Amino acid sequence: NAGVTQTPKFQVLKTGQSMTLQCAQDMNHEYMSWYRQDPGMGLRLIHYSVGAGITDQGEVPNGYNVSRSTTEDFPLRLLSAAPSQTSVYFCASTYRANSGNTIYFGEGSWLTVV
Amino acid sequence: AQSVAQPEDQVNVAEGNPLTVKCTYSVSGNPYLFWYVQYPNRGLQFLLKYITGDNLVKGSYGFEAEFNKSQTSFHLKKPSALVSDSALYFCAVRDGEVEAAGNKLTFGGGTRVLVKP
Repeated sequence: NAGVTQTPKFQVLKTGQSMTLQCAQDMNHEYMSWYRQDPGMGLRLIHYSVGAGITDQGEVPNGYNVSRSTTEDFPLRLLSAAPSQTSVYFCASTYRANSGNTIYFGEGSWLTVV
Repeated sequence: AQSVAQPEDQVNVAEGNPLTVKCTYSVSGNPYLFWYVQYPNRGLQFLLKYITGDNLVKGSYGFEAEFNKSQTSFHLKKPSALVSDSALYFCAVRDGEVEAAGNKLTFGGGTRVLVKP
Protein backbone atom coordinates (compact mmCIF):
# COMPACT_ATOMS: atom_id res chain seq x y z
CA ASN A 1 0.00 0.00 0.00
CA ALA A 2 1.92 3.00 -1.30
CA GLY A 3 -0.72 5.62 -0.40
CA VAL A 4 -0.70 8.72 -2.61
CA THR A 5 2.17 8.84 -5.11
CA GLN A 6 3.17 11.96 -7.00
CA THR A 7 5.68 12.42 -9.80
CA PRO A 8 7.90 14.22 -10.54
CA LYS A 9 9.17 15.54 -7.20
CA PHE A 10 11.09 18.42 -8.75
CA GLN A 11 10.63 20.13 -12.13
CA VAL A 12 11.88 23.28 -13.80
CA LEU A 13 9.86 24.62 -16.73
CA LYS A 14 10.27 27.49 -19.10
CA THR A 15 7.43 29.97 -19.48
CA GLY A 16 4.93 28.68 -22.02
CA GLN A 17 5.85 25.03 -21.70
CA SER A 18 3.25 22.46 -20.75
CA MET A 19 3.59 19.52 -18.43
CA THR A 20 1.60 16.99 -16.43
CA LEU A 21 1.95 16.21 -12.74
CA GLN A 22 1.03 12.62 -12.09
CA CYS A 23 -0.91 11.41 -9.06
CA ALA A 24 -1.94 7.88 -8.20
CA GLN A 25 -3.50 6.31 -5.11
CA ASP A 26 -3.94 2.65 -4.27
CA MET A 27 -6.45 3.02 -1.43
CA ASN A 28 -9.58 2.85 -3.62
CA HIS A 29 -10.46 6.40 -2.62
CA GLU A 30 -13.31 8.05 -4.48
CA TYR A 31 -12.18 11.61 -3.87
CA MET A 32 -8.98 13.08 -5.19
CA SER A 33 -7.80 16.65 -5.37
CA TRP A 34 -4.90 18.95 -6.16
CA TYR A 35 -3.67 21.77 -3.93
CA ARG A 36 -0.95 24.32 -4.35
CA GLN A 37 1.08 25.59 -1.43
CA ASP A 38 2.47 29.10 -1.37
CA PRO A 39 4.26 30.81 1.54
CA GLY A 40 1.87 32.26 4.10
CA MET A 41 -1.20 31.15 2.16
CA GLY A 42 -1.59 27.60 3.31
CA LEU A 43 -2.92 25.16 0.75
CA ARG A 44 -5.39 26.26 -1.89
CA LEU A 45 -7.60 23.86 -3.81
CA ILE A 46 -7.06 23.78 -7.58
CA HIS A 47 -9.37 20.99 -8.80
CA TYR A 48 -11.06 18.00 -7.28
CA SER A 49 -12.85 14.84 -8.33
CA VAL A 50 -15.61 12.93 -6.58
CA GLY A 51 -15.16 9.84 -8.73
CA ALA A 52 -14.02 8.52 -12.08
CA GLY A 53 -15.28 10.71 -14.91
CA ILE A 54 -16.22 13.61 -12.62
CA THR A 55 -14.11 16.69 -11.95
CA ASP A 56 -14.80 20.17 -10.64
CA GLN A 57 -13.00 23.42 -10.02
CA GLY A 58 -11.63 24.52 -6.70
CA GLU A 59 -10.47 27.89 -5.49
CA VAL A 60 -7.67 28.56 -8.01
CA PRO A 61 -8.35 26.53 -11.21
CA ASN A 62 -7.11 28.94 -13.88
CA GLY A 63 -4.22 27.60 -15.95
CA TYR A 64 -4.78 24.00 -14.90
CA ASN A 65 -6.70 21.05 -16.32
CA VAL A 66 -7.52 17.70 -14.77
CA SER A 67 -9.11 14.43 -15.81
CA ARG A 68 -10.17 11.32 -13.92
CA SER A 69 -10.38 8.37 -16.29
CA THR A 70 -9.74 5.81 -13.53
CA THR A 71 -10.31 5.70 -9.78
CA GLU A 72 -6.57 5.47 -9.17
CA ASP A 73 -5.19 8.34 -11.27
CA PHE A 74 -5.75 12.10 -11.21
CA PRO A 75 -3.20 13.98 -13.35
CA LEU A 76 -2.85 17.77 -13.25
CA ARG A 77 -1.94 19.52 -16.49
CA LEU A 78 -0.32 22.91 -16.80
CA LEU A 79 -1.32 24.13 -20.24
CA SER A 80 1.12 27.03 -20.68
CA ALA A 81 3.32 27.49 -17.63
CA ALA A 82 3.67 30.94 -16.09
CA PRO A 83 6.04 32.15 -13.34
CA SER A 84 2.96 32.60 -11.10
CA GLN A 85 2.58 28.83 -11.16
CA THR A 86 5.86 28.36 -9.35
CA SER A 87 4.69 26.52 -6.28
CA VAL A 88 4.58 23.23 -4.43
CA TYR A 89 1.75 20.99 -5.59
CA PHE A 90 0.09 18.34 -3.47
CA CYS A 91 -2.24 15.62 -4.55
CA ALA A 92 -4.65 14.32 -1.90
CA SER A 93 -7.30 11.67 -1.58
CA THR A 94 -10.00 10.52 0.80
CA TYR A 95 -12.44 7.65 0.87
CA ARG A 96 -15.90 9.08 0.35
CA ALA A 97 -18.07 12.18 0.46
CA ASN A 98 -18.21 11.99 4.23
CA SER A 99 -16.62 15.19 5.31
CA GLY A 100 -15.26 13.64 8.49
CA ASN A 101 -12.86 11.41 6.61
CA THR A 102 -9.16 12.11 6.84
CA ILE A 103 -7.46 13.37 3.71
CA TYR A 104 -4.14 11.78 2.77
CA PHE A 105 -1.49 13.75 0.94
CA GLY A 106 1.28 12.86 -1.46
CA GLU A 107 4.87 13.94 -0.90
CA GLY A 108 4.56 17.01 -3.11
CA SER A 109 5.90 18.24 -6.45
CA TRP A 110 8.18 21.30 -6.42
CA LEU A 111 7.68 23.25 -9.65
CA THR A 112 9.70 26.25 -10.78
CA VAL A 113 8.71 28.22 -13.87
CA VAL A 114 11.45 30.46 -15.25
CA ALA B 1 -17.44 31.01 3.36
CA GLN B 2 -15.25 29.11 5.77
CA SER B 3 -11.87 30.31 6.93
CA VAL B 4 -9.00 29.44 9.24
CA ALA B 5 -6.60 31.78 11.00
CA GLN B 6 -3.24 30.81 12.45
CA PRO B 7 -2.16 34.08 14.06
CA GLU B 8 1.49 33.16 14.61
CA ASP B 9 3.85 32.70 11.68
CA GLN B 10 6.43 31.11 13.96
CA VAL B 11 6.54 29.68 17.46
CA ASN B 12 9.83 29.21 19.26
CA VAL B 13 10.02 26.90 22.26
CA ALA B 14 12.77 25.23 24.25
CA GLU B 15 12.95 21.46 24.25
CA GLY B 16 10.97 20.01 27.13
CA ASN B 17 8.68 23.02 27.41
CA PRO B 18 4.99 22.97 26.50
CA LEU B 19 4.13 23.75 22.90
CA THR B 20 0.95 25.49 21.74
CA VAL B 21 0.02 26.33 18.16
CA LYS B 22 -3.06 28.50 17.84
CA CYS B 23 -5.94 28.10 15.38
CA THR B 24 -9.28 29.83 15.08
CA TYR B 25 -11.93 29.07 12.49
CA SER B 26 -15.10 30.31 10.92
CA VAL B 27 -17.67 27.99 9.36
CA SER B 28 -21.42 28.14 8.81
CA GLY B 29 -22.33 24.67 10.00
CA ASN B 30 -20.64 22.18 12.29
CA PRO B 31 -16.86 22.45 12.16
CA TYR B 32 -14.77 19.43 11.28
CA LEU B 33 -11.26 20.40 12.28
CA PHE B 34 -7.91 18.91 11.36
CA TRP B 35 -4.24 19.39 12.16
CA TYR B 36 -1.48 18.42 9.75
CA VAL B 37 2.30 18.62 10.06
CA GLN B 38 4.78 19.12 7.24
CA TYR B 39 8.46 18.30 7.60
CA PRO B 40 10.97 19.91 5.19
CA ASN B 41 10.52 18.78 1.58
CA ARG B 42 7.79 16.35 2.60
CA GLY B 43 4.04 16.07 2.24
CA LEU B 44 1.46 16.80 4.90
CA GLN B 45 1.00 14.21 7.59
CA PHE B 46 -2.26 13.89 9.49
CA LEU B 47 -1.98 14.53 13.25
CA LEU B 48 -5.54 14.57 14.59
CA LYS B 49 -9.08 15.65 13.94
CA TYR B 50 -12.22 16.74 15.75
CA ILE B 51 -15.54 15.59 14.32
CA THR B 52 -17.74 15.17 17.36
CA GLY B 53 -17.55 14.00 20.95
CA ASP B 54 -14.95 14.97 23.54
CA ASN B 55 -13.52 18.43 23.12
CA LEU B 56 -10.01 17.15 23.86
CA VAL B 57 -8.66 15.13 20.97
CA LYS B 58 -5.50 13.07 21.18
CA GLY B 59 -3.41 12.40 18.10
CA SER B 60 -0.09 11.19 16.80
CA TYR B 61 3.36 11.87 18.31
CA GLY B 62 1.93 13.00 21.67
CA PHE B 63 -0.04 15.92 20.27
CA GLU B 64 -3.52 16.89 21.39
CA ALA B 65 -5.95 19.64 20.53
CA GLU B 66 -8.86 21.22 22.35
CA PHE B 67 -12.01 22.20 20.55
CA ASN B 68 -13.62 25.32 22.02
CA LYS B 69 -16.91 26.13 20.34
CA SER B 70 -17.53 29.43 22.13
CA GLN B 71 -14.10 30.75 21.15
CA THR B 72 -14.15 29.02 17.73
CA SER B 73 -10.68 27.70 18.43
CA PHE B 74 -8.82 24.43 17.98
CA HIS B 75 -5.37 24.95 19.46
CA LEU B 76 -2.73 22.25 19.07
CA LYS B 77 -0.73 21.33 22.17
CA LYS B 78 2.10 19.11 23.29
CA PRO B 79 3.12 18.94 26.97
CA SER B 80 6.84 18.52 26.30
CA ALA B 81 8.27 19.56 22.92
CA LEU B 82 11.08 17.70 21.14
CA VAL B 83 13.62 19.08 18.69
CA SER B 84 12.13 16.66 16.15
CA ASP B 85 8.79 18.51 16.43
CA SER B 86 10.31 21.39 14.48
CA ALA B 87 8.13 21.60 11.38
CA LEU B 88 5.33 23.52 9.69
CA TYR B 89 1.87 22.98 11.16
CA PHE B 90 -1.42 23.53 9.39
CA CYS B 91 -4.92 23.79 10.81
CA ALA B 92 -7.83 23.06 8.47
CA VAL B 93 -11.62 23.17 8.63
CA ARG B 94 -14.48 21.68 6.69
CA ASP B 95 -18.20 22.33 7.06
CA GLY B 96 -19.63 19.12 8.50
CA GLU B 97 -23.13 19.90 7.30
CA VAL B 98 -22.13 20.02 3.63
CA GLU B 99 -21.84 16.38 2.55
CA ALA B 100 -21.10 17.27 -1.04
CA ALA B 101 -17.99 19.16 0.00
CA GLY B 102 -15.92 16.06 -0.54
CA ASN B 103 -12.39 16.84 0.44
CA LYS B 104 -12.65 20.62 0.19
CA LEU B 105 -10.68 21.57 3.23
CA THR B 106 -9.82 25.17 3.97
CA PHE B 107 -6.32 25.59 5.38
CA GLY B 108 -4.73 28.20 7.56
CA GLY B 109 -1.50 29.86 6.47
CA GLY B 110 0.64 27.57 8.60
CA THR B 111 2.77 28.07 11.71
CA ARG B 112 6.43 27.20 11.76
CA VAL B 113 7.53 25.60 15.02
CA LEU B 114 11.17 25.76 16.04
CA VAL B 115 12.16 23.71 19.07
CA LYS B 116 15.60 24.60 20.37
CA PRO B 117 17.77 22.16 22.36
